[in-house]
Amino acid sequence: QKEVEQNSGPLSVPEGAIASLNCTYSDRGSQSFFWYRQYSGKSPELIMFIYSNGDKEDGRFTAQLNKASQYVSLLIRDSQPSDSATYLCAVTRNFNKFYFGSGTKLNVKP
Amino acid sequence: NAGVTQTPKFQVLKTGQSMTLQCAQDMNHNSMYWYRQDPGMGLRLIYYSASEGTTDKGEVPNGYNVSRLNKREFSLRLESAAPSQTSVYFCASIPTRGKETQYFGPGTRLLVL
Repeated sequence: QKEVEQNSGPLSVPEGAIASLNCTYSDRGSQSFFWYRQYSGKSPELIMFIYSNGDKEDGRFTAQLNKASQYVSLLIRDSQPSDSATYLCAVTRNFNKFYFGSGTKLNVKP
Repeated sequence: NAGVTQTPKFQVLKTGQSMTLQCAQDMNHNSMYWYRQDPGMGLRLIYYSASEGTTDKGEVPNGYNVSRLNKREFSLRLESAAPSQTSVYFCASIPTRGKETQYFGPGTRLLVL
């Protein structure tokens, strides 16, 4: 079983819609959760991190964490073509070992 | 402030050759990491260094060695390259405070023939 699972997509949404990305993880001891965006040929860049159960909002992005169900989600409101990228979910217990999902490719159609 | 730098950007090796990938950060970060990313896959941790003088294995350490030369530099060595090591390699670092942000280098594309 992989440590972090994501649907590979592609997830296609029209411009202005809400994109919903999901991630499940297997280690119940995971403490910190991250969403990265990666454009083709580029390095990952941090979008959001979340530690506590519930929602965390930052602009058009909302991260949701449910530790009991072991899932993390990312909502992107008012999706823009520039949001088209691969989104990677990552988890860690203690900032030593990080485990990444394989990523979900998002296409936002104008 | 250059952030995290990696050299080379691209390298072609023949099977059995050796090489060292270099990584340096100028942000005074304690923790540094080496990842590989294969097509359609996420990042997999090869080795990490929580502080100067310490290194530990990650998820996929076989075939690699690392050196944390000083606080700035963390190198990854392939002693005898294999085609299965064809990948994009990313180095990253994390500050002691504000650990939420992992800073990534631009990556090294390695092709082993």
